[in-house]
Amino acid sequence: DTAVSQTPKYLVTQMGNDKSIKCEQNLGHDTMYWYKQDSKKFLKIMFSYNNKELIINETVPNRFSPKSPDKAHLNLHINSLELGDSAVYFCASSQDGGINTIYFGEGSWLTVV
Amino acid sequence: GQQVMQIPQYQHVQEGEDFTTYCNSSTTLSNIQWYKQRPGGHPVFLIQLVKSGEVKKQKRLTFQFGEAKKNSSLHITATQTTDVGTYFCAGPRSGGSNYKLTFGKGTLLTVNP
Repeated sequence: DTAVSQTPKYLVTQMGNDKSIKCEQNLGHDTMYWYKQDSKKFLKIMFSYNNKELIINETVPNRFSPKSPDKAHLNLHINSLELGDSAVYFCASSQDGGINTIYFGEGSWLTVV
Repeated sequence: GQQVMQIPQYQHVQEGEDFTTYCNSSTTLSNIQWYKQRPGGHPVFLIQLVKSGEVKKQKRLTFQFGEAKKNSSLHITATQTTDVGTYFCAGPRSGGSNYKLTFGKGTLLTVNP
C-alpha cells in the first residue's frame, strides 16, 4: 500500500486552464503539506495543514487553493495556470509537524504549455 | 527568513571514493533531517538528529549535528553507484513553527562506476 498517494502523476495543460491534484495519506498522520520542486530541484514548502486547518501559507499566489476535507486528504487546485507553474508538486505528511519524519508522495509532474 | 544552505551543489566521484555534503542554517534548528532523492523519484527520509553534537551512523553513512545546532554533515564512505541522488537536509527553526520544514537546495551526487 502506498503511504502517500497523489494523482495525477503527470499533467500537461495549456496556460490559463484550471487543474487539481489530489493527495491521500493512509498513515494516520495529522499534518499534510504541499511542496513545489522547480527545475533546479529546490524543494519549497507551499502549505502546511494540521488536522484540516491551514497552518503555513508560504506567500503562494492565491491562484493556488488547497483544500483539506479531512486530515487524510489534501488537494491542490490551481487556477489560471502560468508557464512558471511548471514543476513537480509533492504532497507529504507527518505526525506533529516537522519534529517527525516527513513522508513524500511520488510527485505530480505539471507541465504548462 | 530562515535559510538553509548546502555545499557543494554538485559532486562527482569515482566509485569507492568518499563523499561529504555540508548543511548550514541561518538559524538554530530544533532538529535536522536528511533525505535522499533518486533521479526521477521523491525525497525519502534517511535520518533525524536532535541533540547538539549528535553523531549517527547507517552502514556507510555518517551524520553529524553541530554543537550549535546550526550545521550538519553527511559523509558516505566508499561510495557505490546506488548512492547516486540528491541529498537534502531540512529542519524546523528552533522556536519557530514545527509545521514549516525548510529544505536546503541539495547536493547532487553522481558516481562513476
